Amino acid sequence: EPEVTQTPSHQVTQMGQEVILRCVPISNHLYFYWYRQILGQKVEFLVSFYNNEISEKSEIFDDQFSVERPDGSNFTLKIRSTKLEDSAMYFCAGRGGEDTQYFGPGTRLTVL
Amino acid sequence: QKEVEQDPGPLSVPEGAIVSLNCTYSNSAFQYFMWYRQYSRKGPELLMYTYSSGNKEDGRFTAQVDKSSKYISLFIRDSQPSDSATYLCAMRPPASSYKLIFGSGTRLLVRP
Repeated sequence: EPEVTQTPSHQVTQMGQEVILRCVPISNHLYFYWYRQILGQKVEFLVSFYNNEISEKSEIFDDQFSVERPDGSNFTLKIRSTKLEDSAMYFCAGRGGEDTQYFGPGTRLTVL
Repeated sequence: QKEVEQDPGPLSVPEGAIVSLNCTYSNSAFQYFMWYRQYSRKGPELLMYTYSSGNKEDGRFTAQVDKSSKYISLFIRDSQPSDSATYLCAMRPPASSYKLIFGSGTRLLVRP
């Protein structure tokens, strides 16, 4: 069964550094999402992406964040200048034409 | 009022028990409802997906939607220790990019 994969599984960075989180969605998926989950809190929507454009973003997704699908298979989330409060699990998700989203295993980001 | 509310638990039951997990929501325009299971430090895994009101059954799992009460439920029959996880309800707002709004999750422990 195809799966969404994410790398790295854990990223430790210093405050102010840039990080890039990578996702390989299921090959026939067309719509892509990033969510985050701060420890002990609910899963929160960050951004949705379709046809190489952002289709919707939350208020969390400020100018420090960007997304890209650089090569037709990877889907990346970049945080330009990380803050302590960016520490969280980041989940990539995708869907095909149906309504259901399939999530990756997540990247744990720790900002020191 | 929060958009989606879910009792965080923990809910502890003996093996073989019937488990009932619930969410309430405030936006009567929600039409699509999902249940995800999340093991510790893993990504959400889709369990059930329902549209509008009614019941849907899949093996030991039954999802129920009562739009008049803005209340959804997930029932697990013959619960197993392997069902121990956090269960997240999720809903798709109308006129969106299919982003999901999650409840905070209910932690379930099935005791052998």
